[in-house]
Amino acid sequence: DVKVTQSSRYLVKRTGEKVFLECVQDMDHENMFWYRQDPGLGLRLIYFSYDVKMKEKGDIPEGYSVSREKKERFSLILESASTNQTSMYLCASSPLGQGGETQYFGPGTRLLVL
Amino acid sequence: QKEVEQNSGPLSVPEGAIASLNCTYSDRGSQSFFWYRQYSGKSPELIMSIYSNGDKEDGRFTAQLNKASQYVSLLIRDSQPSDSATYLCAVKTGGSYIPTFGRGTSLIVHP
Repeated sequence: DVKVTQSSRYLVKRTGEKVFLECVQDMDHENMFWYRQDPGLGLRLIYFSYDVKMKEKGDIPEGYSVSREKKERFSLILESASTNQTSMYLCASSPLGQGGETQYFGPGTRLLVL
Repeated sequence: QKEVEQNSGPLSVPEGAIASLNCTYSDRGSQSFFWYRQYSGKSPELIMSIYSNGDKEDGRFTAQLNKASQYVSLLIRDSQPSDSATYLCAVKTGGSYIPTFGRGTSLIVHP
């Protein structure tokens, strides 16, 4: 069974704090993704990575950065948290392939920025 | 701009009925199609994937793909209250790592 885990289920932070969200997958997947999900807006891609130390911006990268030092681990960093970053954050992974591969999601982190 | 459209719902069906969820997409190069189920407060989980025209059945679920008309649908037979969730459609073009997601359709199955 593919397992994607996220470091926290719920997180409360103050405006201006640096926030780290960590994601770990145990299936040796090459691709990893960070999304945020907000009511009425669906899933929006923040960043993705197709290899160690490689990253690509998604649709809404502003205010975020990522780090992938090891294949199994993909971290999302909020450099200076703001209230509009309150959201559900979802990590996903998928194997490298010809494009038909499924994404597997972690349980999500619900972040509240006060 | 690749677009995947779903009716937000809610779609309300009685227990035991067939629920029909639809999804249209704009990119004719799309080759892989996925249906995810997402319970409130939880993460999406894959129900089915489909890659070629026609029907694909898995238990009570049937995915239908029509590439000429650019739509994919999910039928849920004998709907149960436990099927109440948001259903996300996702579409990928060949060779792409990144799916485009629809915003989801909320399904309510009432006893």
